[in-house]
Amino acid sequence: DQQVKQNSPSLSVQEGRISILNCDYTNSMFDYFLWYKKYPAEGPTFLISISSIKDKNEDGRFTVFLNKSAKHLSLHIVPSQPGDSAVYFCAATGENFNKFYFGSGTKLNVKP
Amino acid sequence: DTGVSQDPRHKITKRGQNVTFRCDPISEHNRLYWYRQTLGQGPEFLTYFQNEAQLEKSRLLSDRFSAERPKGSFSTLEIQRTEQGDSAMYLCASSWGLAEETQYFGPGTRLLVL
Repeated sequence: DQQVKQNSPSLSVQEGRISILNCDYTNSMFDYFLWYKKYPAEGPTFLISISSIKDKNEDGRFTVFLNKSAKHLSLHIVPSQPGDSAVYFCAATGENFNKFYFGSGTKLNVKP
Repeated sequence: DTGVSQDPRHKITKRGQNVTFRCDPISEHNRLYWYRQTLGQGPEFLTYFQNEAQLEKSRLLSDRFSAERPKGSFSTLEIQRTEQGDSAMYLCASSWGLAEETQYFGPGTRLLVL
């Protein structure tokens, strides 16, 4: 059951511009949404999260937007840097944090 | 603290053999998760421990898979009678009570079943 989906397998952006990564989910009971970044040969690294009671959370260059009515979230990276090139996963979980559902990832390439 | 560690990092085995992986979470973390990741996919939930209790288990976890966390610290994941379809990256993650949504992942164990 693919409850979290990332429909864009890859994204290429010029350095300094905005990167927008998208994620859709189907389960309206999810309470928290998260973004992870993954470099090759490493485990995913937590980036930013948002509670379902909020519609925006910002941390430096990273902002996550949540649209509950559309069951959609997005990660904005501004300005994009070459070091941001990685695979980005969105994930979701319920109030008990017993189980996390991950999307299939979007590979971001930031060109110098 | 050096983060979540996993051992071994790579494992090659023949079909039908048993394998065991170990995960050492960050020391104060009471929550521990196991995931499986195949090429081009995101981590797929396998099981969850809170301290030593296994509270959630995926239907993906067949009877060939078992996990333990005997003293609420390290955890082991065993796969019996391995099959070629078990070839994947096995990831462990941990978190703790005041930041439960923030999981810290280990580097993973890559399993290849020949």
